[in-house]
Amino acid sequence: DAMVIQNPRYQVTQFGKPVTLSCSQTLNHNVMYWYQQKSSQAPKLLFHYYDKDFNNEADTPDNFQSRRPNTSFCFLDIRSPGLGDAAMYLCATSRDAAGGEQYFGPGTRLTVT
Amino acid sequence: GIQVEQSPPDLILQEGANSTLRCNFSDSVNNLQWFHQNPWGQLINLFYIPSGTKQNGRLSATTVATERYSLLYISSSQTTDSGVYFCAVDTGRRALTFGSGTRLQVQP
Repeated sequence: DAMVIQNPRYQVTQFGKPVTLSCSQTLNHNVMYWYQQKSSQAPKLLFHYYDKDFNNEADTPDNFQSRRPNTSFCFLDIRSPGLGDAAMYLCATSRDAAGGEQYFGPGTRLTVT
Repeated sequence: GIQVEQSPPDLILQEGANSTLRCNFSDSVNNLQWFHQNPWGQLINLFYIPSGTKQNGRLSATTVATERYSLLYISSSQTTDSGVYFCAVDTGRRALTFGSGTRLQVQP
């Protein structure tokens, strides 16, 4: 089945130690998104790629970076995780431009110790 | 930016009951989706419904774009319906803005 896959499902990192979360998709969608969801809150968009075009949200901290080496994969890099970065990180895809239905992966729950 | 408000914030039902969840939004939208977030955190697509009415089994949704609201109906609720229901909208930026969610608990 076509799907959005996230690895790992659970990640523990130390304060200040760089960490990378990965997302892959078999849907062949053009757009890939990263959302951050903190406990009891709604998901919040960090950034998205439309093909190779990177779009950063204005309030996304510089500590968060992303890479999309090809259509299928997208990575979220947190350069120096702080305790406040502990959250669920959700990857999503959509086929094309504005208005498209989004499909979410299962998420990676990040713990910072 | 666009404001998305969901009501009620919390809802407790007995198994078999029906319910209506509401989503109000403050501007025109290109896309509106309803999601169910299960206890493991996965967001499951329920409906893609920028306008009109759709039905899928015990669930149905209606969006009245001109009046800027959407409704999600759950009939004959089951314990597996428990979780958080999110409404999310896109104003054309290719980005979804989520409401704060309705937390539903269905008791046996």
